[in-house]
Amino acid sequence: EVQLVQSGAEVKKPGESLKISCKGSGYSFTSYWIGWVRQMPGKGLEWMGIIYPGDSDTRYSPSFQGQVTISADKSISTAYLQWSSLKASDTAMYYCARPMATNRADAFDIWGQGTMVTVSS
Amino acid sequence: EIVLTQSPGTLSLSPGERATLSCRASQSVSSSYLAWYQQKPGQAPRLLIYGASSRATGIPDRFSGSGSGTDFTLTISRLEPEDFAVYYCQQYGSSVWTFGQGTKVEIK
Repeated sequence: EVQLVQSGAEVKKPGESLKISCKGSGYSFTSYWIGWVRQMPGKGLEWMGIIYPGDSDTRYSPSFQGQVTISADKSISTAYLQWSSLKASDTAMYYCARPMATNRADAFDIWGQGTMVTVSS
Repeated sequence: EIVLTQSPGTLSLSPGERATLSCRASQSVSSSYLAWYQQKPGQAPRLLIYGASSRATGIPDRFSGSGSGTDFTLTISRLEPEDFAVYYCQQYGSSVWTFGQGTKVEIK
């Protein structure tokens, strides 16, 4: 079964760092892009960026460039989203998702279960 | 960056009625790389339509997508109780992919 399994919920303080993960299984991890999507409480979906684990080619939304880092470790089929200094406004659900087709732009047909990040003093 | 504007913000309909949701892009979407997703509370989004008009695996045929260029439509021919949810469009035809702000389909 193709699936993406994300790491568990996090509660952090402003200024702390954080790295959340998304592990792919049931498919060739290096052959598909993996994207990250933010959903703030009660709000819509926001595309943050995407990485191709095969060669670590990464693209960011201008809204998130410089605010987060997307990476991947193909040896353990895991993608990451990290912050060096969290803000209260980073409080949100974060989803990873995989496009339908290999190595090209396509709709996201596989989604992780989401990781809730809460940043509060 | 392509901005997607969905309308209406909320659609109040009864089961059995037809729902028509709109997604307008600020510039032409390359190769009709436009998808529609459904999201229910507490769940991850689910892909309904890709390539503007192709249904994803397992999606009932009451869901249909149409359009090209800058104007796209998701139609639900007869609303079932499980169809009341929030729907998002997304374009993946440019280097920066974007989502619309969503349309909530609620029970009237």
